Amino acid sequence: EVQLVESGGGLVKPGGSLRLSCAASGFTFSYAWMSWVRQAPGKGLEWVGRIKSKTDGGTTDYAAPVKGRFTISRDDSKNTLYLQMNSLKTEDTAVYYCTTEYSSSWYEYFQNWGQGTLVTVSS
Amino acid sequence: DIQMTQSPSSLSASVGDRVTITCQASQDISNYLNWYQQKPGKAPKLLIYDASNLETGVPSRFSGSGSGTDFTFTISSLQPEDIATYYCQQYDNLPAFGGGTKVEIK
Repeated sequence: EVQLVESGGGLVKPGGSLRLSCAASGFTFSYAWMSWVRQAPGKGLEWVGRIKSKTDGGTTDYAAPVKGRFTISRDDSKNTLYLQMNSLKTEDTAVYYCTTEYSSSWYEYFQNWGQGTLVTVSS
Repeated sequence: DIQMTQSPSSLSASVGDRVTITCQASQDISNYLNWYQQKPGKAPKLLIYDASNLETGVPSRFSGSGSGTDFTFTISSLQPEDIATYYCQQYDNLPAFGGGTKVEIK
């Protein structure tokens, strides 16, 4: 059974930093593309960014609102995905979900999701 | 960036009704569109991928259609367990979600 367990959320002041982790199990993590998706309280889903598998180059992509402030990385030896968030703003307050991103020549979709971890940016 | 516009933002329907949600892309995305269901307090769940393909295990009352810029998601006969918010998501470029449609029972 695929399991994704996020951790590291909490309260942080504007301008501060936080690192989220996502522990993965039940699948071959090193082969997976992984994404972060967030949801502000009472709002819709927003894709944050992704990291491809090392076999697909291990490159990262980011949504415009977080580019230059957030960094996604992975440790395949620990089956863990990370989201380093710097220069946090109040508008970054959200539940952050870790997801597997299935990608083939024909399809891409977010297949498995964690339970989410809440990040609150407030003074 | 490709913008996804979903409508309506909310709807109320009776059990057994046919429910239709539309999603419009700001540019041609071929059939690179997925649909998700999110129940309150839960993570989203994939229902439809590539515009019209039903994910394994998803009831057949859910369906999707469309290509290019205009897409439709349909629940053929609304059930009480379908109360949720539904999102479209394009993957022609970097992923992006529509604003969501909250479905309630009348």
